[in-house]
Amino acid sequence: RKEVEQDPGPFNVPEGATVAFNCTYSNSASQSFFWYRQDCRKEPKLLMSVYSSGNEDGRFTAQLNRASQYISLLIRDSKLSDSATYLCVVVISGGYNKLIFGAGTRLAVHP
Amino acid sequence: DADVTQTPRNRITKTGKRIMLECSQTKGHDRMYWYRQDPGLGLRLIYYSFDVKDINKGEISDGYSVSRQAQAKFSLSLESAIPNQTALYFCATSEPGLASTDTQYFGPGTRLTVL
Repeated sequence: RKEVEQDPGPFNVPEGATVAFNCTYSNSASQSFFWYRQDCRKEPKLLMSVYSSGNEDGRFTAQLNRASQYISLLIRDSKLSDSATYLCVVVISGGYNKLIFGAGTRLAVHP
Repeated sequence: DADVTQTPRNRITKTGKRIMLECSQTKGHDRMYWYRQDPGLGLRLIYYSFDVKDINKGEISDGYSVSRQAQAKFSLSLESAIPNQTALYFCATSEPGLASTDTQYFGPGTRLTVL
């Protein structure tokens, strides 16, 4: 079983739609959580952190459920420019902050 | 100019060749990393370095070596390239800190093909 699992998609949605991605993780020692965005053939870039209380950044909302060990990303009012792959990242602290990346969920927003 | 740069951006090589991928950064970060990305898999850590004198193996270091020439430079070598090392390679940097603030800044990637 992968340490971090994501539905690879693709999620094909029209502009203006609301779309949600989930990510599950297996290590209960995971301490921090992030969503990164990766455009085709480009480098990943931090989209947002995920806090226990949930957090929102414009059209994006991230939530964490520690009991069920999953995090989610909700995108409202999808734009064409949201088309990308969204990577779930889980951090386990120890000698160093070990980042574990999910394989990503691909989103395609169409007109 | 990009904060994290990688050279070359694309490379095609043959089995058995030794090649080096280079990474430079102007962010002033002490921590640097090398990852590889394969289709259907998450990024996997090859090596990481917390300063010039500190080099550590990641989860998939076999067949690779690294050199931290300076705070700003971290190179990855494939001693004898093999086809299953065909992948997209990313260099990244970060600042020391809490897990909750450990943002990784990635270079643009090097697409390596081993024939």
